[in-house]
Amino acid sequence: NAGVTQTPKFQVLKTGQSMTLQCAQDMNHEYMSWYRQDPGMGLRLIHYSVGAGITDQGEVPNGYNVSRSTTEDFPLRLLSAAPSQTSVYFCASSTGQGLGYTFGSGTRLTVV
Amino acid sequence: AQSVAQPEDQVNVAEGNPLTVKCTYSVSGNPYLFWYVQYPNRGLQFLLKYITGDNLVKGSYGFEAEFNKSQTSFHLKKPSALVSDSALYFCAVRDRGSTLGRLYFGRGTQLTVWP
Repeated sequence: NAGVTQTPKFQVLKTGQSMTLQCAQDMNHEYMSWYRQDPGMGLRLIHYSVGAGITDQGEVPNGYNVSRSTTEDFPLRLLSAAPSQTSVYFCASSTGQGLGYTFGSGTRLTVV
Repeated sequence: AQSVAQPEDQVNVAEGNPLTVKCTYSVSGNPYLFWYVQYPNRGLQFLLKYITGDNLVKGSYGFEAEFNKSQTSFHLKKPSALVSDSALYFCAVRDRGSTLGRLYFGRGTQLTVWP
């Protein structure tokens, strides 16, 4: 089925560990982005990409890295996990016009 | 700077009654406006969007929203609420002058419809 696929769905990390959240889309969308959702905060943009090889920071980029080597994939890397990064992470993609966003089902991350 | 405000953290309504979830926005140019819904432990699902044209937009599941440029609002409405409408609702805005496609979200409004 066409859409945005995120893996894993759940993850527990220890402080200081690193990991990569995977995001893949099969709709040939140019634009991809990562958000984190925290209670009472809505969704906040972490990083985004307007095409392969092009990425930029959003509102809350610290502690996260991204790369976009292909149109389909947009992984999010946590370099050294901290309890403040406990959150639900959503990946989204859109055509370049940004008129329709498709969201993945989310990754629930807990850092202990 | 772009921003979205959802002034109510929670809206409670009885089944069968009309519902309104409020949203106001601030963008530097003309907006694209969106409503998304999130059910427990799920991702965001698209409800409707305003791009251009008629100020009253109809979307999924019987929802509609009215774009009011003078009041910079985009309130979500439904004539008759269902218990199954209970969920978290997000308003989002994008400046149509932006080529980057960045969406800005409100904090969300928890809608509870009781039987």
